[in-house]
Amino acid sequence: DTEVTQTPKHLVMGMTNKKSLKCEQHMGHRAMYWYKQKAKKPPELMFVYSYEKLSINESVPSRFSPECPNSSLLNLHLHALQPEDSALYLCASSQASSGLSSYEQYFGPGTRLTVT
Amino acid sequence: GQNIDQPTEMTATEGAIVQINCTYQTSGFNGLFWYQQHAGEAPTFLSYNVLDGLEEKGRFSSFLSRSKGYSYLLLKELQMKDSASYLCAVRDHPATDKLIFGTGTRLQVFP
Repeated sequence: DTEVTQTPKHLVMGMTNKKSLKCEQHMGHRAMYWYKQKAKKPPELMFVYSYEKLSINESVPSRFSPECPNSSLLNLHLHALQPEDSALYLCASSQASSGLSSYEQYFGPGTRLTVT
Repeated sequence: GQNIDQPTEMTATEGAIVQINCTYQTSGFNGLFWYQQHAGEAPTFLSYNVLDGLEEKGRFSSFLSRSKGYSYLLLKELQMKDSASYLCAVRDHPATDKLIFGTGTRLQVFP
């Protein structure tokens, strides 16, 4: 199984709503990632979890709150978002890199988020 | 700063060969990845280079020159389904899993 699943596929939310994006993988990967991607742009890294601990936060606004409840699951909690946060949110996973060893990231299909 | 540059758009004809270049200036280097992304879909892994030279995988090859901060992705026998964005990404630090993505190249293949 080399699949990363994400739910929901599409989400429309108002600026006062609270919602969560979910991501799951069963490849035994210990690194998981959240990316934001705008149309015709490359993915922008938001957060990295390594062995269930937050290892990188790319100065993301606090209205985005990540959570890694276990080694297979990754959530992104959303609260008080702005219209400019509308984008495709991609989850990815990989083996945790160590020293000179690098491993490819497997991406989920993404959640297309629209903030109204 | 971190900078990874690719041409924005390229076009090619079915059956032809196309080379997509990527130049990078990063604080460190621990490997370079190429990903393919079809419109509205997730990126998928194509190739990985960490040492200088050419890596071949079927119709796709990727080359790396660390001294020049340069890589290319070579696509042979182009097919219509190769129309997609191609993303170059660098892992810049051995202690993290972070990838820095380039600007991406949108390739359109015409019959």
